[in-house]
Amino acid sequence: AQSVTQLDSHVSVSEGTPVLLRCNYSSSYSPSLFWYVQHPNKGLQLLLKYTSAATLVKGINGFEAEFKKSETSFHLTKPSAHMSDAAEYFCVVISSGGSYIPTFGRGTSLIVHP
Amino acid sequence: SQTIHQWPATLVQPVGSPLSLECTVEGTSNPNLYWYRQAAGRGLQLLFYSVGIGQISSEVPQNLSASRPQDRQFILSSKKLLLSDSGFYLCAWSGGGRDTEAFFGQGTRLTVV
Repeated sequence: AQSVTQLDSHVSVSEGTPVLLRCNYSSSYSPSLFWYVQHPNKGLQLLLKYTSAATLVKGINGFEAEFKKSETSFHLTKPSAHMSDAAEYFCVVISSGGSYIPTFGRGTSLIVHP
Repeated sequence: SQTIHQWPATLVQPVGSPLSLECTVEGTSNPNLYWYRQAAGRGLQLLFYSVGIGQISSEVPQNLSASRPQDRQFILSSKKLLLSDSGFYLCAWSGGGRDTEAFFGQGTRLTVV
C-alpha cells in the first residue's frame, strides 16, 4: 500500500522569500517520488522526480527536493519565490510491488504576495 | 516525442444527459492509461486505469465507465450525468514501472447543470 500526505493545504509567501512545501509518504516498498505543478485549469507538469539515485533532486524553475528515508519525507523547496510560482503543487508516490499507479497527495496551493 | 490529447477542454451538460470524454496518446505503444477527477481541495482521485486494450480497472464505484477500444485511446463515459459528476477530469499515461512518471492531458472542466 502507498499513500501521500501533503501537510499544508495552503502556503503563503512573499516574492523573493524561500518556499517550503511539505510531503510525507508511506510505502510498503521502495518508492519513487514526484512533484507536479498545476496552473489554474491546466494539466499537470512534472517538476522533478526521485528514483533511488541521488537523494537531493533538482528540478525545473529552481525547485529542488530531498528524499529522507528516515523521515519518510520529500519536501519541495525553492530559495526565492517568484510570482509565476503561484500554483497548485502535488506530491506523488509510485511503489514497486504493485500496479505502479501514481498516488497523489491532496495538493498544496502556493500563494505568492508581491 | 510522446504527446497526449484530451478533449473537450470545457463542457456544460444538463443533468441526465450522456457524457463522452476522449483521450489519445501519440508516440508510444502499450501505455498505461488513467482517468483522474479533481474536485476542489481534494487532490486527484483515480477513477479508472488500463494496462491494455479492453482491460479496465475501476477504483471508485460511481456513475461513470471507461473503455479502451484501441491501444492509445481511452474514453470516459456516462449514460446519465449527475450534479456530483461536475469537476475537472484529467487523462494521463505512463510507461508503467516504478521510475516512470505520468504525463497529463490539459484536462476537461465538466459542469453539470
